Amino acid sequence: GAGVSQSPSNKVTEKGKDVELRCDPISGHTALYWYRQSLGQGLEFLIYFQGNSAPDKSGLPSDRFSAERTGGSVSTLTIQRTQQEDSAVYLCASSLRQGASSETQYFGPGTRLLVL
Amino acid sequence: ILNVEQSPQSLHVQEGDSTNFTCSFPSSNFYALHWYRWETAKSPEALFVMTLNGDEKKKGRISATLNTKEGYSYLYIKGSQPEDSATYLCAFSSPGNQFYFGTGTSLTVIP
Repeated sequence: GAGVSQSPSNKVTEKGKDVELRCDPISGHTALYWYRQSLGQGLEFLIYFQGNSAPDKSGLPSDRFSAERTGGSVSTLTIQRTQQEDSAVYLCASSLRQGASSETQYFGPGTRLLVL
Repeated sequence: ILNVEQSPQSLHVQEGDSTNFTCSFPSSNFYALHWYRWETAKSPEALFVMTLNGDEKKKGRISATLNTKEGYSYLYIKGSQPEDSATYLCAFSSPGNQFYFGTGTSLTVIP
């Protein structure tokens, strides 16, 4: 079946604008994860969803970041009042089961965000 | 924040050489260790998930071992090929379902 998809693939925005990033997980996958990779850094865990709920939001870098998931499927990551340090590749991943951190995660292609 | 370290940061090898790199992670509160390969312009691709001390996994020319007591995993590539060029990421996962990734080892195989 189809893999994880993300949109847009690239986004250039001006400082101070809001952006919304979208993730479509693999159908039937109940767990969904957001990560980002800033230049020269490793993958930074942001948030994960079990179904529609996010048990732990402590990985979000600031209160300008929010995420939601509806219908146990699509998730959106919203960054308000973007700053230049938000420039990064934002990756989404999904896995089959909830709460099973030995499960393989399947990654999307990422959204490359550039804040000017 | 848990510290997952990978070494070396980058590696250049000749085609046909065998190579290995290391992932170090906290030995406490361990649940699973994941290896991924991330090629440029593609999505990270899962290679292995290991959960038990002493686990060894193999996929073609690539294999991995796990030592949870001392907190390390090795990834081995036998007879490297140019198509093996990628960044190899390891991730430590905790029972709380959080994942902590290392910064990766960038491998370049020179034809």
